[in-house]
Amino acid sequence: KQEVTQIPAALSVPEGENLVLNCSFTDSAIYNLQWFRQDPGKGLTSLLLIQSSQREQTSGRLNASLDKSSGRSTLYIAASQPGDSATYLCAVKTSYDKVIFGPGTSLSVIP
Amino acid sequence: DAGVTQSPTHLIKTRGQQVTLRCSPKSGHDTVSWYQQALGQGPQFIFQYYEEEERQRGNFPDRFSGHQFPNYSSELNVNALLLGDSALYLCASSLATSGGPGETQYFGPGTRLLVL
Repeated sequence: KQEVTQIPAALSVPEGENLVLNCSFTDSAIYNLQWFRQDPGKGLTSLLLIQSSQREQTSGRLNASLDKSSGRSTLYIAASQPGDSATYLCAVKTSYDKVIFGPGTSLSVIP
Repeated sequence: DAGVTQSPTHLIKTRGQQVTLRCSPKSGHDTVSWYQQALGQGPQFIFQYYEEEERQRGNFPDRFSGHQFPNYSSELNVNALLLGDSALYLCASSLATSGGPGETQYFGPGTRLLVL
């Protein structure tokens, strides 16, 4: 059974700092891994999608890596800003139909 | 493009009642998935609809049922509501492609359900 965990559960950093969020999954048989952002009480915004054959994806200040063999993904945020404050969720797709989410990391960037 | 839309945005019900939530997928998408997100947790997969059929189901009781219409919109029905059904219900749409399980899901803003 696929399980997804995220460390840390919460993180508080000063503005401008680079930071790394971690995601681990137990079964390496995945189709893709996706990172989402969720603002309080809102839906999910897709940040980056990494296909199982890829090692990393980049978008602006965000870089996500995928190591299927070790069951890990990291989301790197460069030069953090207060507007980056949100909950970040990773999700793995284990079949055509099923997506398993982690519990999320709550990020607070202090001005 | 309106993206994925859901209605209503908020809903308050009492235990034992029934509720229907609605979702319209992003233009061009034909697959709709439903998720339940309890406070402080990640979303949990409920089920997915494609070609008006339930394609796969997560670990949810039969009180949770759904439907997909010919225009690809979808409904989630929950019967005999329990206090524990209070959550944010998210709908996601995608385009089913043969040999392409890696497509991105686009999420709606969710419906916040409170059961008293």
